[in-house]
Amino acid sequence: GAGVSQTPSNKVTEKGKYVELRCDPISGHTALYWYRQSLGQGPEFLIYFQGTGAADDSGLPNDRFFAVRPEGSVSTLKIQRTERGDSAVYLCASSLGSRAEQFFGPGTRLTVL
Amino acid sequence: KQEVTQIPAALSVPEGENLVLNCSFTDSAIYNLQWFRQDPGKGLTSLLLIQSSQREQTSGRLNASLDKSSGRSTLYIAASQPGDSATYLCAVSTDSWGKFQFGAGTQVVVTP
Repeated sequence: GAGVSQTPSNKVTEKGKYVELRCDPISGHTALYWYRQSLGQGPEFLIYFQGTGAADDSGLPNDRFFAVRPEGSVSTLKIQRTERGDSAVYLCASSLGSRAEQFFGPGTRLTVL
Repeated sequence: KQEVTQIPAALSVPEGENLVLNCSFTDSAIYNLQWFRQDPGKGLTSLLLIQSSQREQTSGRLNASLDKSSGRSTLYIAASQPGDSATYLCAVSTDSWGKFQFGAGTQVVVTP
């Protein structure tokens, strides 16, 4: 079956702009995670959804970052007033449950000029 | 706070040699540990998941062991091939939500 998909694959924006990053999890996966990866480092946790609700958003760096999953499937990560420091690869993962194997998408490379 | 370390940061081996990749973590109260590989510019590919109650997992040429008491996991790749060249990441979950704390990875090059 299809894996986790993310769109766009690349996003270039200017400082101060608003961006939305989309994640389509594997069908039937109730758990969805967002991570952020900077060059040469491992991914860092941002937010976790179980179904439609954000069960843990402790990794979001500040209130410019927000994520939704209104129907318990597709999720959108929203970043307001982007800053150059937001440039990174944003990864999405899904799993059957909170302790099950996580499957990652290809990521969205965000570049803020 | 859980800290995950992978040493060495880079490793080069000739084809056919066995690979041994190390992962250490500071908090032994983990729920599970997962190994991934990442090719340049790509996402993460899951290799093996070890639950906290397990000591090891095997898949083909891959074997991962877990020793919670010493805070260590080791990934063994038998008879390495050039296609095994990638960065290998380990990730540890210490809460019931399953969020991972990642190491920085070990970059592996297998030379023909």
